[in-house]
Formats: sequence, structure tokens, C-alpha cells
Amino acid sequence: AAGVIQSPRHLIKEKRETATLKCYPIPRHDTVYWYQQGPGQDPQFLISFYEKMQSDKGSIPDRFSAQQFSDYHSELNMSSLELGDSALYFCASSLGGQGAYEQYFGPGTRLTVT
Amino acid sequence: ELKVEQNPLFLSMQEGKNYTIYCNYSTTSDRLYWYRQDPGKSLESLFVLLSNGAVKQEGRLMASLDTKARLSTLHITAAVHDLSATYFCAVDKKTSYDKVIFGPGTSLSVIP
Repeated sequence: AAGVIQSPRHLIKEKRETATLKCYPIPRHDTVYWYQQGPGQDPQFLISFYEKMQSDKGSIPDRFSAQQFSDYHSELNMSSLELGDSALYFCASSLGGQGAYEQYFGPGTRLTVT
Repeated sequence: ELKVEQNPLFLSMQEGKNYTIYCNYSTTSDRLYWYRQDPGKSLESLFVLLSNGAVKQEGRLMASLDTKARLSTLHITAAVHDLSATYFCAVDKKTSYDKVIFGPGTSLSVIP
């Protein structure tokens, strides 16, 4: 079965640079969630989208922005990167409008800021 | 605000032994997940528990849910080294586009 796809899987950036992470949800899933997991931490919710509209917002820094496109894929844009942004970034998707809501997680993007 | 607690946070156990990891959550939730995560890897879904009294088993792992006590347990039977990983419980709401709230994780080390 198709799963959530994230790209790139690994990304190395320098401080103050920008990064874009991409997430392709499971086919027919209309809701996307982004989570950040720092070293030794549990995943923390950043932001979510349903039908291309922001549906919930968590502890996402103002330097980050995200959107969901017409094909339901989502991109997380990160600017003015800081060392503390180094983390594993997970995307999850669900079938939000049909009452299922169970989230399926992608493999993650490991971002290293040097 | 929904909060999730786990204990213990660190667990070192010998092969062949049994042990239980506990997960408490603070408010009513519709769905409880157990995930496994190996170092630097993604989250592997182990169980999704939907109703009070639900019990699921897979190999040496068995999970149960008591919604009245807001408690879930992950029981490990006759542990083997391959079970060494971090185990997260997490909860979410079924009736909204709600985020999953994770517990802090239990780092399990099974010693040969």
C-alpha cells in the first residue's frame, strides 16, 4: 500500500539559510500534519492543513511557514535556520473529511543545521 | 489541554523477562496509539486502540486500553534484544482534525 512520502530524507544547511521540506500524503488523504522531533524528544505538532486550509497550529516558529497545494501535497518552508532547528521532521496524513482521521506517518526528513 | 504521561521513561530489562509500560492521558480521547521508534528512524505504528477494554497483541507485545481510567498499558512478554527501542504512546481526537499528542517515550533496553 502507498505510504506517506517525504523529501528529501536528509538535508544539511548552514545557519541563516532556508530549507523546504516536502510531503506527499497517501492517495485520497486530504489532511496533512507536520511534527518536529528534536534529539531525545517526543514529536511536537507544528501545523496541519485540511483541504488546503490551515486547520490547526502548534509550536511553529514564525520563521516557518507551510501550505498545502491543490494536489494535497504540502511544503514546510523554514527560513533563517538556527542550530536548534536540527531535528527529524515528520509529516502525517489522514482522511480528514470522512470520519477516519487516523494519521499515518511518513519516514521523516532529518535536517541538520551547521 | 491534553497531556500524555508514560512510565517508566527508561527501562532496562533482561531477556526472557516480562514488563509493562504505562501510559496515562489527561482528558477524554478517542484513539490511543503505540509507536516504536529505533534511533534516528521513523515511527512504526504498533497498535491503535479505539474503545474501552480493547486489547491487541502482536508477537511479544500486548496493548490494552481503559478509557475510564485514561490508562493504556503495553505489556512485554519474554523480552528479546530486538525489542530494544523507544516506545511512544499517543492520543488524538476522532471528531476533529486534531493533532496527535505524544507521550515522552519509554526507552527500552533489553540486555542479553
